[in-house]
Amino acid sequence: DIQMTQSPSSLSASVGDRVTITCRASQGISNYLAWFQQKPGKAPKSLIYSASNLQSGVPSKFSGSGSGTDFTLTISSLQPEDFATYYCLQYKTYPITFGQGTRLEIE
Amino acid sequence: QVQLVQSGAEVKKPGASVKVSCKASGYSFTNYYMHWVRQAPGQGLEWMGIIDPSGGSTTYAQKFQVRVTMTRDTSTSTVYMELSSLTSEDTAVYYCARSSIVGGTSPGYWGQGTLVTVSS
Repeated sequence: DIQMTQSPSSLSASVGDRVTITCRASQGISNYLAWFQQKPGKAPKSLIYSASNLQSGVPSKFSGSGSGTDFTLTISSLQPEDFATYYCLQYKTYPITFGQGTRLEIE
Repeated sequence: QVQLVQSGAEVKKPGASVKVSCKASGYSFTNYYMHWVRQAPGQGLEWMGIIDPSGGSTTYAQKFQVRVTMTRDTSTSTVYMELSSLTSEDTAVYYCARSSIVGGTSPGYWGQGTLVTVSS
């Protein structure tokens, strides 16, 4: 199975900050990488697929990059509604696997 | 708009089975794969498997291979996930999620989740 490792596991930031979350795959996955946001008690929300493509309706403050084994999610100009847990996922091969999550908290 | 509406919360005893439904609307049901993902309390997301609603073919995570069955009913645009031999470790919120694009396998649209509680 492909292991997905996110860093950091948690992150404190302030409103207006720009933050970057990293996801590393244990083997190359080309660009078969997606990012999700989840708020407490809610279903995950898809942000990005194919490493850098914004899901319909997702604001451009979210951006993704990377290919192969190393990927990043960048969130610019943090707003209160952006504080949540973020997950990456690889869908290059089965089983599809998630990262362990990055909890983004208000500083 | 794409909507995935899941069945309500369930309480089951150890050893029992549970069947969760996910009714899709707002798109062509047979054109998009459907995933099942679960989340135990306070834990991360865990992929269980995927079904192609067109032909009904499935791929399951090995962890669930012997206990899970995913099916679909094209007449009602509904997919089902049945999990058998439940233990307390199966207490979780179960989500269905439709792929983002035709032919793609990245989950793009999610149901609201179904809480399954396993308790004696």
